[in-house]
Amino acid sequence: DTEVTQTPKHLVMGMTNKKSLKCEQHMGHRAMYWYKQKAKKPPELMFVYSYEKLSINESVPSRFSPECPNSSLLNLHLHALQPEDSALYLCASSQEDFGGNIQYFGAGTRLSVL
Amino acid sequence: AQKITQTQPGMFVQEKEAVTLDCTYDTSDQSYGLFWYKQPSSGEMIFLIYQGSYDEQNATEGRYSLNFQKARKSANLVISASQLGDSAMYFCAMREGNFGNEKLTFGTGTRLTIIP
Repeated sequence: DTEVTQTPKHLVMGMTNKKSLKCEQHMGHRAMYWYKQKAKKPPELMFVYSYEKLSINESVPSRFSPECPNSSLLNLHLHALQPEDSALYLCASSQEDFGGNIQYFGAGTRLSVL
Repeated sequence: AQKITQTQPGMFVQEKEAVTLDCTYDTSDQSYGLFWYKQPSSGEMIFLIYQGSYDEQNATEGRYSLNFQKARKSANLVISASQLGDSAMYFCAMREGNFGNEKLTFGTGTRLTIIP
């Protein structure tokens, strides 16, 4: 089972709203990732959590706030977003092994900021 | 400088034919990983195949094989006997760094369309 579950699938929010994206995996993976994908572009890394600690922040604006409450759950809190933040947000997880530390992705949350 | 280059924005292939998607990469690391992902219009990134930089044999997974030429820094994906369900966007990606501090960098992708 290589399932990563993301909720909600779609989200529409105003620039003054506060919302959260959720990502869950039950594969025992100890690294989790957030990516942002604009239309017709490749995914771009935002954050990496390793063993529930933030290890990489790719200079993401503070209006995006990640949280890793436990090893199975990753949240992305959104506040005061801009229309240019509209994108597909993908979550992934991986474990350290001899098979490449493959990152398995969820189906994503399509975010529209009005 | 781009680390992953996919030079084919789009490809059209007849059903049941084989197709090769090109990918070249650039890194000064000795240890790295190369991946191919498929992204249908639904948005999910589906892992297809992995090749480690120290692997001497080309990776294979069912109808997918990776033609790894280290000296040329290329990692082309070969899909044999293409099917209509193979129509999707395909991304080549490179992993650098150690576990917990890994970065996956994607190419710009190739949109593959299988013609009946």
